[in-house]
Amino acid sequence: DAKTTQPNSMESNEEEPVHLPCNHSTISGTDYIHWYRQLPSQGPEYVIHGLTSNVNNRMASLAIAEDRKSSTLILHRATLRDAAVYYCILTNTGNQFYFGTGTSLTVIP
Amino acid sequence: DSGVTQTPKHLITATGQRVTLRCSPRSGDLSVYWYQQSLDQGLQFLIQYYNGEERAKGNILERFSAQQFPDLHSELNLSSLELGDSALYFCASSVQGRAGGAEQFFGPGTRLTVL
Repeated sequence: DAKTTQPNSMESNEEEPVHLPCNHSTISGTDYIHWYRQLPSQGPEYVIHGLTSNVNNRMASLAIAEDRKSSTLILHRATLRDAAVYYCILTNTGNQFYFGTGTSLTVIP
Repeated sequence: DSGVTQTPKHLITATGQRVTLRCSPRSGDLSVYWYQQSLDQGLQFLIQYYNGEERAKGNILERFSAQQFPDLHSELNLSSLELGDSALYFCASSVQGRAGGAEQFFGPGTRLTVL
């Protein structure tokens, strides 16, 4: 199973950019990189996903290393509502999602 | 609101009992995924159905089973319940059958407490 490694926790000041790293050295050529976040007492919420190229959407940007062994989720201006657990996930050929332990993001006002 | 509905919101039952959790996917989504989230194990993928057929299986116990009906709603059946089955159970849906390139939309979850 393709595994990801993320820091347990990170802090950011409000209105500053946040870079959340993820290592996935065993990624296979067909694995997509997904990011989800989970706010307290809610179900996970899709943030962004990509395969090889960097991706942008209204919520965030995803920067993927050239060798695809790591990626970074970028929140351009952190708000208090961005405080959540962020999960970096790889799909495997068995069509499954393994969430791992994620990074708990604290946003400081 | 993701458009995915789950019922009931809370369920309290006793060990040895059987319960059924229900999930209605977003309109147009053909895939349904079930996940279990407990304090000690995090979010665990259980099973996926696509258009009525089982597509992928994760860490689902033999005491658990699921199905997806012709109207695409899904049910997760948990039997011979144990204290350790107490958890949040999430359902998610997506348009595609392959998890790779598809966004999953998660429901609000069902909190199961086994006493």
